[in-house]
Amino acid sequence: KAGVTQTPRYLIKTRGQQVTLSCSPISGHRSVSWYQQTPGQGLQFLFEYFSETQRNKGNFPGRFSGRQFSNSRSEMNVSTLELGDSALYLCASSPGSSSYNEQFFGPGTRLTVL
Amino acid sequence: KNEVEQSPQNLTAQEGEFITINCSYSVGISALHWLQQHPGGGIVSLFMLSSGKKKHGRLIATINIQEKHSSLHITASHPRDSAVYICASAINTDKLIFGTGTRLQVFP
Repeated sequence: KAGVTQTPRYLIKTRGQQVTLSCSPISGHRSVSWYQQTPGQGLQFLFEYFSETQRNKGNFPGRFSGRQFSNSRSEMNVSTLELGDSALYLCASSPGSSSYNEQFFGPGTRLTVL
Repeated sequence: KNEVEQSPQNLTAQEGEFITINCSYSVGISALHWLQQHPGGGIVSLFMLSSGKKKHGRLIATINIQEKHSSLHITASHPRDSAVYICASAINTDKLIFGTGTRLQVFP
């Protein structure tokens, strides 16, 4: 089975721009979670999608949004980028609830905001 | 509010040593995850447990629900075990709360 894929792997944007990141889960996995990792804050939960519905959201501003498609692929969008949004963005998929199932992580998208 | 604390933050060991990483959390959880992150960012899930003990190769994870504490043990450590180890707790909300990680370096 192919693993979780994320595109793009690297991205450079300037303040004020918006960005869309993509995540393709392992085939058959219905849950996709997104995380932000920074040196200062570590790993933080952004949101989780299951069968196209957002089930939970972390403490991030409304500039961070996401969606999941019927084939379980997910995208996250960050609008009006700020310097502090520079981070590694990871997605993870699991067959069911992320709390009760092993999560399979993608390689991440490293976003740099200038 | 659920908080997750790990200790130690940094750990160095000689090849072959027995290693223990600790994780404490503040509220009752549904499950606890142990993750491994290598330089470059890739994260691998090592264990997910809600009670007792799990073993995979040289890795052992234990959890004590009453004490709100989990440990990850590595037996016969090897330089390839060098990585950051992260624990994460899950309450019944499908939202993982992460510890700050333990950076392990194993020298030959």
